[in-house]
Amino acid sequence: EPEVTQTPSHQVTQMGQEVILRCVPISNHLYFYWYRQILGQKVEFLVSFYNNEISEKSEIFDDQFSVERPDGSNFTLKIRSTKLEDSAMYFCASSEASRLARGEQYFGPGTRLTVT
Amino acid sequence: AQSVTQPDIHITVSEGASLELRCNYSYGATPYLFWYVQSPGQGLQLLLKYFSGDTLVQGIKGFEAEFKRSQSSFNLRKPSVHWSDAAEYFCAVGQNTGTASKLTFGTGTRLQVTL
Repeated sequence: EPEVTQTPSHQVTQMGQEVILRCVPISNHLYFYWYRQILGQKVEFLVSFYNNEISEKSEIFDDQFSVERPDGSNFTLKIRSTKLEDSAMYFCASSEASRLARGEQYFGPGTRLTVT
Repeated sequence: AQSVTQPDIHITVSEGASLELRCNYSYGATPYLFWYVQSPGQGLQLLLKYFSGDTLVQGIKGFEAEFKRSQSSFNLRKPSVHWSDAAEYFCAVGQNTGTASKLTFGTGTRLQVTL
């Protein structure tokens, strides 16, 4: 069964450093998402992406964050200057369709980001 | 704004016992509702979903959930729990937004199964 993959599984970085989290969505999917879960808190929507553009972003997704589909398979989340409060599990997801009734979101296993 | 509440942070049941995980949502229109499960080291796997129609929906691994509009609930049930069901369970409400969609999750319920 096709699946969403994410690398690395765990990333440790120092405050102020840039990090790039990588995701390979399911191959025929066109809609891509990032969510995050701070330890002990809810999974929160960050951003959705379609046709090389951001479709929607949450208030969490400020200028420190960016997303990119650099080639035909990868989807990345970049944090330019990490803060301690960026420590979280980051989930990538993809879907075949924009409407939930026509395509559910499939999630990857997550990347645990630890900022020290 | 939509929101999801899972009142139980941690539940322990014996193998073979029945299970019910609670989920309450807040959403203005007819909601898209989901239950996801996360096993250690794994991604969020969809168990079942409700969009419309029959309010009792069947999912994978023997799970079912019932949508009750009057109670704004979408509780997950399983008649007989197996040790392999030990995991974290997330309820979510979905919203179509422009050219995409987004999910709002609850805080999750961690299920422990005793033998």
